[in-house]
Amino acid sequence: NAGVTQTPKFRVLKTGQSMTLLCAQDMNHEYMYWYRQDPGMGLRLIHYSVGEGTTAKGEVPDGYNVSRLKKQNFLLGLESAAPSQTSVYFCASKTGTGDGGEQFFGPGTRLTVL
Amino acid sequence: SQQGEEDPQALSIQEGENATMNCSYKTSINNLQWYRQNSGRGLVHLILIRSNEREKHSGRLRVTLDTSKKSSSLLITASRAADTASYFCAPVGGGGNKLTFGTGTQLKVEL
Repeated sequence: NAGVTQTPKFRVLKTGQSMTLLCAQDMNHEYMYWYRQDPGMGLRLIHYSVGEGTTAKGEVPDGYNVSRLKKQNFLLGLESAAPSQTSVYFCASKTGTGDGGEQFFGPGTRLTVL
Repeated sequence: SQQGEEDPQALSIQEGENATMNCSYKTSINNLQWYRQNSGRGLVHLILIRSNEREKHSGRLRVTLDTSKKSSSLLITASRAADTASYFCAPVGGGGNKLTFGTGTQLKVEL
């Protein structure tokens, strides 16, 4: 099993450009999450999904959109990138047992917006 | 979801020594999880302790939970250089489908 994978690993954008980050998991997990991590800070939840076709806002959703068209994939979109979105983005997934079980994280995508 | 606060923010020890880091939280929980993050990598789940447990072991890791004090501690025994990482706690309350992370404890184990 590959676990949680993220594409791409690195990306540099210019202000105003758009891009989509892809997260894929092969563990048949119901829940998927997108976090961002900035220097000296913990992870902050952007959006999450509790199942195929569902999405919900997290702590810092502004400037991002997400889609969960397939159970195994969770896409994070930036429609018009801003320098404040320079960050490392992590995707995670977990089973749907509902008791707060462990989350499995991807390796991250390092995004720089110039 | 609620955020845990790790203490200390940074910890530097010699290889072979024990490392202890603490986590405090504010409201009642169902469980509390500890994660490790090596530099530039994603978080890795270490251990989950449920609210009705007081202590749990996993290899060189020992986690305690004191719900009356709303605190938890993570002890790493006989530390190795490979334990150098940031450690985060995540207290999980009712409907615990979201985790909230603090800034973590940065552990450095020197040879």
